[in-house]
Amino acid sequence: AQSVTQLGSHVSVSEGALVLLRCNYSSSVPPYLFWYVQYPNQGLQLLLKYTSAATLVKGINGFEAEFKKSETSFHLTKPSAHMSDAAEYFCAVSNTVGDYKLSFGAGTTVTVRA
Amino acid sequence: DTGVSQDPRHKITKRGQNVTFRCDPISEHNRLYWYRQTLGQGPEFLTYFQNEAQLEKSRLLSDRFSAERPKGSFSTLEIQRTEQGDSAMYLCASSSGTSGGHVSYTQYFGPGTRLTVL
Repeated sequence: AQSVTQLGSHVSVSEGALVLLRCNYSSSVPPYLFWYVQYPNQGLQLLLKYTSAATLVKGINGFEAEFKKSETSFHLTKPSAHMSDAAEYFCAVSNTVGDYKLSFGAGTTVTVRA
Repeated sequence: DTGVSQDPRHKITKRGQNVTFRCDPISEHNRLYWYRQTLGQGPEFLTYFQNEAQLEKSRLLSDRFSAERPKGSFSTLEIQRTEQGDSAMYLCASSSGTSGGHVSYTQYFGPGTRLTVL
């Protein structure tokens, strides 16, 4: 079974500072990996995805993530936080054939200090 | 492309009542997924459809839950005899699946239906 672990349920950063959200996955074979963002009382919006092409993936809103097989990690970063980045972020994993159902981490809430 | 829509956005019901939620996927998306998200947790998979066929159900989906996707378009999720533990956000997602030999597995989510059982 596949799973992800997000380290840190809450992250607080200053506006303009680096945002780093950690995600480690567990899978017997290289999976597909995703980062989604959720604003209050809304659904999930896809930020970026890794699908076995480039290991450094660029997404929307200035976010990027790097797939590191040796560390089984897929950490999300943004060089300079903006107030609008305050939200909950979810890392998710899926298999690469068949159902493609997503298994999510517990999420990391990001707050941005002015 | 209008995105995934869900109706209603909010539902408050009393314990023991039946509720039904609707999801309209992105047009011509073959796959439709239902997830449940409780407060402070990530979404959990419930079930998914390939066209009109329900291909997998999670053990989270007790016999009080039923989902349908007639004609492979919109889907409904019904909960019978609701319990307070059913209070959650119910999310629907769709993906284009296999089309013309090309597989697209990226899931696009709707805004969710928040259920409160009193």
